[in-house]
Amino acid sequence: QKEVEQNSGPLSVPEGAIASLNCTYSDRGSQSFFWYRQYSGKSPELIMSIYSNGDKEDGRFTAQLNKASQYVSLLIRDSQPSDSATYLCAAYTGGFKTIFGAGTRLFVKA
Amino acid sequence: DAGVIQSPRHEVTEMGQEVTLRCKPISGHNSLFWYRQTMMRGLELLIYFNNNVPIDDSGMPEDRFSAKMPNASFSTLKIQPSEPRDSAVYFCASSLDGVQPQHFGDGTRLSIL
Repeated sequence: QKEVEQNSGPLSVPEGAIASLNCTYSDRGSQSFFWYRQYSGKSPELIMSIYSNGDKEDGRFTAQLNKASQYVSLLIRDSQPSDSATYLCAAYTGGFKTIFGAGTRLFVKA
Repeated sequence: DAGVIQSPRHEVTEMGQEVTLRCKPISGHNSLFWYRQTMMRGLELLIYFNNNVPIDDSGMPEDRFSAKMPNASFSTLKIQPSEPRDSAVYFCASSLDGVQPQHFGDGTRLSIL
């Protein structure tokens, strides 16, 4: 069964620090990868997409992909209390299907 | 641009009643997905459509659940009869083509008493 695995956390970091969120996936044929942020009581919101090996930066967010290791990560620089949320990693595995991880809860302490 | 629109936002009903959840995908998006989210089980994919055709309904938990997509701008998820264990947040999401990232609606918070 195709899976996306994340540490459920919670991950607690002080304000201003770098938060590092990690994700592994089982299907080596996965082609595209996404990070979603979900605030409590809200719906998942797309924050990053990454399609090729290496780093992709968008503001304070950097997504990293290593297909050989089947590993995806999200770095949040200068973490703010407003970044406190659950972060969902997702992998597109083909056939219109995207597999979501269970999410990592992040707390940024002021 | 309007995002994915779901209705109702909240639904409270008694066990045994029929529940119908509605979704309007983003205009031009060809793929539509129904999810259920609970604290215990996380985000579960129930069913997805491409060009209004159901592709995979293996996530639908029981025959009490059914989904339709009569046209490109409307889908329903129906539970009949409803049970307390169906209580969850139900999300609808759409994607341009199923390959591009999905965009979620605000969800329907369903409580079955």
